Order: sequence, then C-alpha cells, then structure tokens
Amino acid sequence: DTAVSQTPKYLVTQMGNDKSIKCEQNLGHDTMYWYKQDSKKFLKIMFSYNNKELIINETVPNRFSPKSPDKAHLNLHINSLELGDSAVYFCASSHGSSGRARETQYFGPGTRLLVL
Amino acid sequence: GENVEQHPSTLSVQEGDSAVIKCTYSDSASNYFPWYKQELGKRPQLIIDIRSNVGEKKDQRIAVTLNKTAKHFSLHITETQPEDSAVYFCAASPGSGGYQKVTFGTGTKLQVIP
Repeated sequence: DTAVSQTPKYLVTQMGNDKSIKCEQNLGHDTMYWYKQDSKKFLKIMFSYNNKELIINETVPNRFSPKSPDKAHLNLHINSLELGDSAVYFCASSHGSSGRARETQYFGPGTRLLVL
Repeated sequence: GENVEQHPSTLSVQEGDSAVIKCTYSDSASNYFPWYKQELGKRPQLIIDIRSNVGEKKDQRIAVTLNKTAKHFSLHITETQPEDSAVYFCAASPGSGGYQKVTFGTGTKLQVIP
C-alpha cells in the first residue's frame, strides 16, 4: 500500500549519460512535485504538475525534463548528466483541489543519484 | 518570492531536555506553515502544521507557535527522546487558492544525546 513510490532507489552513472527516474502515487492526489536535496540537505523544488499540467518550473537547467503521462505519474528525465547533479531526488504529491490538509506533501522514498 | 530562514542549523540536546527551532518568512501572504521531520536516509514526513488563524498548536510533545506580525514561527519539542534525532524542516505556503508553492527552510539537524 505504498503511497508515493520512486524507481530506481539508487542510480550510479557516468557523466554525460541520460537517465530517468519514475514516480507514482496511489493517493488520488492531483499535484506532484520533484525536489532536489543536495549534500547539505537543502530541499529545493524543481517542478510541479497539477492534473498533468506544468505549474512550477524553477530555475533548473533544461537538461532536466519532467513528464506527466497522467496525474498519478510524474517522471524526470535528465540528459547529459553532470557531477553537480549528484543528489537525492524526491518526488512528492499533494491534494491540491480542496480540503483542509490539501497542502500536506507526501514524499516518495527518494532516488540517490551519483554521477561519476 | 517567499524566503524562509531557519535556525539553528544544528542542535544538540540531552535526552529529556527541550528543543526549539525557529523560522522566519518574508511573504505576508503565507498562511500555512508545516513542519517536516526527515530521519537519516528516509523521506521527509509532516509532523505538525499551523495556519495563520491560529497562534499555537500542540500534539503531544511537539508544539508550534506562530507570530504573524513578526513573521516567525517555532517548533518546540519537550522531553526529547533519541528517536527525535533527525533533520527538521520548516516551510511556508500561501495556503489558499488553486495551487500553493511550499518554500522550505534550510533544515535543522537535531541530535538527542542519551
């Protein structure tokens, strides 16, 4: 009964490669996010989708491209990986429509990306 | 945009003592303030939240206070236990309207010494 799941959990790759991270939520939420957590533990939002539409696109290199095939899935594709992309990437979801707890974000387990 | 500052960055307390983490925010439109706890190697999880129409909220050993005039809010943990050791994040969000972006603080690493 995993609420927000991500695959893979660990990703070790060479500089210059292209990789994807997948995220799925079974909470019925309509808003999903990607966050990057660096070695200092800072949590920075990268993207957010609401009902498959991009609503937040922070200052992120265009090597990062999110894709939401439906409101339960939000994938992240990264082209030409660089050393500085090494971090933990968290997917999250929230119920953005209505309700008192609509802003509560439910995080996935994280994907630990190491670029060599 | 919103800017959330969090202090201290690290905090060590003896088991049984209290711990206080403070945050300030810049956007007066923010009215939803959640706190997340992230244990080592785990995901952040909501532990408590407060809205701007409330000044204080308690849940067992944790409490949050909000001073909207001064734009600061705090997390208080009483009778700390080793399992409270984690990184704590405050956050702020407009909290109303169609979509709200949540801005996180920089985190506080709390260590509870047995």
